[in-house]
Amino acid sequence: DTGVSQDPRHKITKRGQNVTFRCDPISEHNRLYWYRQTLGQGPEFLTYFQNEAQLEKSRLLSDRFSAERPKGSFSTLEIQRTEQGDSAMYLCASSLGQGTSGPLNSYEQYFGPGTRLTVT
Amino acid sequence: AQKITQTQPGMFVQEKEAVTLDCTYDTSDPSYGLFWYKQPSSGEMIFLIYQGSYDQQNATEGRYSLNFQKARKSANLVISASQLGDSAMYFCAITNTGNQFYFGTGTSLTVIP
Repeated sequence: DTGVSQDPRHKITKRGQNVTFRCDPISEHNRLYWYRQTLGQGPEFLTYFQNEAQLEKSRLLSDRFSAERPKGSFSTLEIQRTEQGDSAMYLCASSLGQGTSGPLNSYEQYFGPGTRLTVT
Repeated sequence: AQKITQTQPGMFVQEKEAVTLDCTYDTSDPSYGLFWYKQPSSGEMIFLIYQGSYDQQNATEGRYSLNFQKARKSANLVISASQLGDSAMYFCAITNTGNQFYFGTGTSLTVIP
């Protein structure tokens, strides 16, 4: 088990372009989370998947953002028409979790190294 | 909604000494979980310790312990015998369902040799 991986690690794009990030969770983890982290701030929740179902989505997430987890394994996060304000570190995390009402200590998250997005 | 407040932007501690990092939370749900994560300069978040709202005892994991005061809604992280490798950002987080987590703004810890 190699942990959570994210690709690419760095992305520089011009304003208005679309970008897509990939996250590969730990193989047996059914829960997957996306976060955004800006300098000097904690991770900000974006969305959550249980298997292939997207069960939570932050109200702060504009319609330019979309995420998928088509087979309940890897996930992609796409940002359309990027803006300079989208520049941030995008973190992916996975956890084992136990269904929808398991003990909360089973939701310990394992984070990937992040994708740093710079929009010029 | 839940909220985490970390009021110490930066802390310094002498090597081998203990340090307490503060975390207060706000939630109306009686069932919740509190997590502490470490983020070194490399950027990868590392899970440290968990405390459940119904846990009777304070959580401990090696040199990490949690001073959980439910009535005061605080969950302070205590690091004993600080090491140079403990220098990092530390984040407190809360969830009540495991579906959505709320993180604080973090505390930057510097261990002085």
